[in-house]
Amino acid sequence: SQTIHQWPATLVQPVGSPLSLECTVEGTSNPNLYWYRQAAGRGLQLLFYSVGIGQISSEVPQNLSASRPQDRQFILSSKKLLLSDSGFYLCAWSVAGRDGYTFGSGTRLTVV
Amino acid sequence: AQSVTQPDIHITVSEGASLELRCNYSYGATPYLFWYVQSPGQGLQLLLKYFSGDTLVQGIKGFEAEFKRSQSSFNLRKPSVHWSDAAEYFCAVASGGSYIPTFGRGTSLIVHP
Repeated sequence: SQTIHQWPATLVQPVGSPLSLECTVEGTSNPNLYWYRQAAGRGLQLLFYSVGIGQISSEVPQNLSASRPQDRQFILSSKKLLLSDSGFYLCAWSVAGRDGYTFGSGTRLTVV
Repeated sequence: AQSVTQPDIHITVSEGASLELRCNYSYGATPYLFWYVQSPGQGLQLLLKYFSGDTLVQGIKGFEAEFKRSQSSFNLRKPSVHWSDAAEYFCAVASGGSYIPTFGRGTSLIVHP
């Protein structure tokens, strides 16, 4: 069966520290992968998406970056976190976009 | 550009009552439409989707939604709400090609016993 793993579940990081969030998918090949951020009381903001290894599209300019070193692995990173980076980060995958997304369980990031 | 409006930030219903969550979209052609549900601290789960055919679609957990082209709407309904339905509900629209959806800001459903 197809599953998506996202970790860690929660993270508290000081301002200026680096960030690495990882997402892996099992049970499918060549998925489209996505990183979303959800701020409190707001909808989902698409940050990055990838249609293949090494192919990253950025939707919002910011101090975050993404990488896809393997077919089913998607990493969200930052060199120096800002307070405004706090939020709930969600990874998702799809094969045929019109079938909808499958989301991971999310990472709650608090920058202090 | 496509956009989605969920006009209700919060909806409160009594357990056993019927439910309708509103969603309006803006897009030139026939869109791909989705409803997702999010429990607190969790990811989103797909409830149902529409892209062609019968305009009344059935989803999981007893939910259904109706696509009305003339009203640019895709409202979510359930005839009898259970306390476990309390969650955040998101409507999303996508276009052909990239199929990357635009999400509404969500409607929080509160269920009273």
